[in-house]
Amino acid sequence: AQKITQTQPGMFVQEKEAVTLDCTYDTSDQSYGLFWYKQPSSGEMIFLIYQGSYDEQNATEGRYSLNFQKARKSANLVISASQLGDSAMYFCAMREVGRDDKIIFGKGTRLHILP
Amino acid sequence: KAGVTQTPRYLIKTRGQQVTLSCSPISGHRSVSWYQQTPGQGLQFLFEYFSETQRNKGNFPGRFSGRQFSNSRSEMNVSTLELGDSALYLCASSLGVGANNEQFFGPGTRLTVL
Repeated sequence: AQKITQTQPGMFVQEKEAVTLDCTYDTSDQSYGLFWYKQPSSGEMIFLIYQGSYDEQNATEGRYSLNFQKARKSANLVISASQLGDSAMYFCAMREVGRDDKIIFGKGTRLHILP
Repeated sequence: KAGVTQTPRYLIKTRGQQVTLSCSPISGHRSVSWYQQTPGQGLQFLFEYFSETQRNKGNFPGRFSGRQFSNSRSEMNVSTLELGDSALYLCASSLGVGANNEQFFGPGTRLTVL
């Protein structure tokens, strides 16, 4: 069963607008971590933001924030005031706690920022 | 602090050959994970090493193997290469293991199998 679902294969957004990238996850664990990564065309994966399952506040890092809705098992990434350099592939990932705690990635969303 | 480095960056091999990829983690990081990325399958977990021990392994055939050295540097080996092994191989390091350890990725090794 797919554990991380990113339903938007691609998105086009006007520069300076805010954008929300969707991510839903499936786990029976109470303790887990959620991550977002950005992958520009160069190929390198860049860590953006982390949310722990027990964190009560939504994580924020500069223009990035994570809209964490635990009951809905949703961890959407919000990018405020988008920039041309935000054009990239974005991956949502989850890591459970326990013996099988490998990180699982979603299929990704390709974001295009239009000038 | 230097980031994760991977060598070589590009590699072209033919079917049946074997290949060894290298990864040097960020200084102080003890966990190294390897991923295969292809357009069709996305990012797939290969294995994770911590303190020279393999902690987790993904669903890949035994042709894929790895190891970690005492300085945390890691290598992965693919034997008897197949066309389907063409991919971007990414290495990531983290301070430790567990749900709150974000991983930092290297630039990847792009392997092409002819």
